[in-house]
Amino acid sequence: GAGVSQTPSNKVTEKGKYVELRCDPISGHTALYWYRQSLGQGPEFLIYFQGTGAADDSGLPNDRFFAVRPEGSVSTLKIQRTERGDSAVYLCASSLRVGPGSTGELFFGEGSRLTVL
Amino acid sequence: AQTVTQSQPEMSVQEAETVTLSCTYDTSESDYYLFWYKQPPSRQMILVIRQEAYKQQNATENRFSVNFQKAAKSFSLKISDSQLGDAAMYFCAYRRTQGGSEKLVFGKGTKLTVNP
Repeated sequence: GAGVSQTPSNKVTEKGKYVELRCDPISGHTALYWYRQSLGQGPEFLIYFQGTGAADDSGLPNDRFFAVRPEGSVSTLKIQRTERGDSAVYLCASSLRVGPGSTGELFFGEGSRLTVL
Repeated sequence: AQTVTQSQPEMSVQEAETVTLSCTYDTSESDYYLFWYKQPPSRQMILVIRQEAYKQQNATENRFSVNFQKAAKSFSLKISDSQLGDAAMYFCAYRRTQGGSEKLVFGKGTKLTVNP
């Protein structure tokens, strides 16, 4: 696609439910990132994929959060037993390449706003 | 760990005037990238300008320019001839150049209002 696509745009769920958020990166971008943006804050890193593998998941807050990218393109962020504190905008970004010489520019989607009641 | 600080939660400017947004950061690395991103109400983060730490020359993109002071670890954004469409949240971000996941570390942002 022309840009990074995220679905759903908005999701309202009840405490304790399971949620999946989807990210479709720019075609050909090998690097994919998930960030979480709470109200009034800057985005915080959650996880980074290089191809199919999670190269850095140090930002995941606990084991209720999990992400996959099985074919190296679309990624799904999964949140189990949601809590009210999980309410935030979840941003996905992709990048053409990483490593020495990379400009580091990330292209962001419009995010998925999750509200946990 | 690297940190990014934006000390101005909100700023306002008159249309056609100039405004400067402040950013400081903390790192022990000698080479890295710095970015300014704009986030309008649509939530999509848009890259405004990028600076490579090894370059002494300040980056410029049309009406947007930076004042990069490496020793002071300061990276301010100047917007000239402000336009109504510049109104948004602005985030300063840091990225190391080698090793690790090359993730961006963001500040808390500055909300810019442009008054007609």
